[in-house]
Amino acid sequence: DGGITQSPKYLFRKEGQNVTLSCEQNLNHDAMYWYRQDPGQGLRLIYYSQIVNDFQKGDIAEGYSVSREKKESFPLTVTSAQKNPTAFYLCASSILQGSEQYFGPGTRLTVT
Amino acid sequence: QKEVEQDPGPLSVPEGAIVSLNCTYSNSAFQYFMWYRQYSRKGPELLMYTYSSGNKEDGRFTAQVDKSSKYISLFIRDSQPSDSATYLCAMRDSGGSNYKLTFGKGTLLTVNP
Repeated sequence: DGGITQSPKYLFRKEGQNVTLSCEQNLNHDAMYWYRQDPGQGLRLIYYSQIVNDFQKGDIAEGYSVSREKKESFPLTVTSAQKNPTAFYLCASSILQGSEQYFGPGTRLTVT
Repeated sequence: QKEVEQDPGPLSVPEGAIVSLNCTYSNSAFQYFMWYRQYSRKGPELLMYTYSSGNKEDGRFTAQVDKSSKYISLFIRDSQPSDSATYLCAMRDSGGSNYKLTFGKGTLLTVNP
């Protein structure tokens, strides 16, 4: 059963701690993306990667970091430098030249 | 002016109604258009994808694109309570290796039984 998995579904952290969100896909897609969704703001692109060991900043990369060591995996680290980390985080993937992006179920991060 | 404008609603309709959801855009380079459905606390699900002006139909859903007016629509026929969700439009241009999507903010739809 192909798809995108994100874990955990809910994550709670104290301010000042780094936290890593997992994203795995078995769709054999080359490209992967991380978005942040806040009420009333729509989806905003954090980082994207079109190939292993390469990634680019999106519109709101400050305070985030990523790695792409395997085609199937694209973890996102929310660092303590991110000023407003509480949000719903969505991972997506697509074929390299495809427009259609397919999303995972999301991780809701709460930082207090 | 934002690149993509989408009426946030909320939109409330009775079961069986025809629903029209709309987005306008300002970037004439946008060539590919998508509609996603997002249930509360879930990831968006791709509903429709089109790249040409005109209509594309899939079951109860019809996507319409008017590139000359920079306007896209999603029509839902015979709406059901299970259609209650937020609907997001998304689009991208055809340039180079940039596969970035630009999203509307979403329209919240409620279909009442």
